[in-house]
Amino acid sequence: AQSVSQHNHHVILSEAASLELGCNYSYGGTVNLFWYVQYPGQHLQLLLKYFSGDPLVKGIKGFEAEFIKSKFSFNLRKPSVQWSDTAEYFCAVNVGYSSASKIIFGSGTRLSIRP
Amino acid sequence: KAGVTQTPRYLIKTRGQQVTLSCSPISGHRSVSWYQQTPGQGLQFLFEYFSETQRNKGNFPGRFSGRQFSNSRSEMNVSTLELGDSALYLCASTIGGGSPSYEQYFGPGTRLTVT
Repeated sequence: AQSVSQHNHHVILSEAASLELGCNYSYGGTVNLFWYVQYPGQHLQLLLKYFSGDPLVKGIKGFEAEFIKSKFSFNLRKPSVQWSDTAEYFCAVNVGYSSASKIIFGSGTRLSIRP
Repeated sequence: KAGVTQTPRYLIKTRGQQVTLSCSPISGHRSVSWYQQTPGQGLQFLFEYFSETQRNKGNFPGRFSGRQFSNSRSEMNVSTLELGDSALYLCASTIGGGSPSYEQYFGPGTRLTVT
């Protein structure tokens, strides 16, 4: 069965540190990949997505992610985090082309930034 | 454009009761998906409706059901509530139509507590 793994459950960083959150999925076919963010008290919102083309994807608020097909990975990065990046981050995968709706989410990574 | 709305926002029920949650998608969106979010489990897909038909279903027992109306509004119902059903239930809408490129827009969720 398809699955998404986020190995870091809670990451604590100081402001200006660099960030990398891991995401691995298990599916051998075509995938569409997403990172969502949930700020405290707010809705889930899309950070970035990959469907095809350049495997390095840039999203909002300075985030980027790189799709490495051979490693089944889609890690999220930011060169310098801010206190306002404190949130929970979810990696998600939509497998195949049947529908936009059945997306498999990882269990999430809580990011805490020390001011 | 108004976002996805969910009602009620908070709900407390006792074991054995049933509950109905409502979701109004963004105007023009025809697909509505439901997710259960619990700490440590992330988001788990419940089901998706498109044009009043259930198009996808996750691995939840039959106590969880849903429907969609002609105006794309959706309801989900949980019968014979169990303590383990306590969770945040999220609704997401997308334009639909089958393309995986459509972003999902999430509502604020309904926090269900079962005592």
